[in-house]
This record gives sequence, C-alpha cells and structure tokens, in this order.
Amino acid sequence: DTGVSQNPRHKITKRGQNVTFRCDPISEHNRLYWYRQTLGQGPEFLTYFQNEAQLEKSRLLSDRFSAERPKGSFSTLEIQRTEQGDSAMYLCASSYSGGRETQYFGPGTRLLVL
Amino acid sequence: AQSVSQHNHHVILSEAASLELGCNYSYGGTVNLFWYVQYPGQHLQLLLKYFSGDPLVKGIKGFEAEFIKSKFSFNLRKPSVQWSDTAEYFCAVRNTGGFKTIFGAGTRLFVKA
Repeated sequence: DTGVSQNPRHKITKRGQNVTFRCDPISEHNRLYWYRQTLGQGPEFLTYFQNEAQLEKSRLLSDRFSAERPKGSFSTLEIQRTEQGDSAMYLCASSYSGGRETQYFGPGTRLLVL
Repeated sequence: AQSVSQHNHHVILSEAASLELGCNYSYGGTVNLFWYVQYPGQHLQLLLKYFSGDPLVKGIKGFEAEFIKSKFSFNLRKPSVQWSDTAEYFCAVRNTGGFKTIFGAGTRLFVKA
C-alpha cells in the first residue's frame, strides 16, 4: 500500500498523559498536513510542513501540541498533558506542491482521553 | 476568513433517486474546490476537484460538480444514486496557491436499497 499511513489507529489514554502519533506520507510528497476532526464536523487544519519546515500552525494548536517532521519524511504529533477536549480523530494528509496540489488523507488516529 | 457551508447535514434517498448536495464558500479570490467522500470505516478519499477551466467537473463513480463563481457554489450531483453511495461527503476550498484547506461540516448520505 503506497498511501498515507498513520499509527496507532486508536489510542485510549488517561487525562494528563502524553501521547504521540505518527504519520508516514506518500513517499514523493513534500507537503504534510495535520488535521483534527470531531464528531459532526469536517477536518480542521492544525499545522503544515513543507519538507522538514513547519510553515504554519493553527490557533487550535495550543502549547501542549507539538509536531515535527525531522527529515522531511514521516511526521509526529505529540500532545502533552492530554485533556478530555483533545478527544478527536487526528488526520494526516500529504501532497506534492504544484499548480494542482491535491491532498491525500490517511486513515486517522482516533484519540479518546478518559 | 474563509468558510464552507454545506446546507444539509443528513440526506436520505432511495436507490435510483437523483442527488444534489449543496456547498457554498466565502472567499473573494480565486479558489480551488474539492469534494471528498468518507465511506463507513474508511478514510477520506478525493471524489473530484476543480482548479480552473470548465466549471463542470466530473469525478469518480458518476459524480459531478458545478462551480458557479457568481454564487460561490460548488454543488455535487449524481443522476442516480446506489446503495453503495452511502457515505459522508465533505466540500472543501483552498485559495489558489495557498496551502490551507477549509472543510465544510459534511453531509451524511444514506441510500435505502
């Protein structure tokens, strides 16, 4: 399968714990995006990388959230001191920059904070 | 700020009925427009996209969408739905040359066999 992959697919954690999610984009894609999706809503933009550079962060991304893409390939999203309000589906998408850029989404990581 | 409005949160149709899902966006500049579909238990998949040119765009599985610039709309259509079209449909917009894609809240379609 050469699509976008995400791990883990599901994560249950207790409030206050730290969690880390991983995204492996399509190999030739230089752009990588993280979104959050809650029940009844569409995906909301969190952050964006071009190669290894994080170029934009949403105001939704509080100081407890950090994302990295150290070698311009896979990316991690860490949430520190999780809160119940962090429960959501976290989606990763990748694309190749160009005139007709199209994002391809992974299956997501569903986080439940108890 | 950009926003996307999908008029119907839930739609129920019988097989062979025609489908039209509304999508309106707010943005004054040139845009790229997308429809994504999420089948039960699967991830978001691209259904069709508009960048420029012919405002009537054809996608996979018999879907099409029409970009009407004067109405800021990008409605999705299918002449005859099938039970397998049961899914959630998301409209999305991005300003041309930008990177941030804004999604609507989605329309959940249920097709009765």
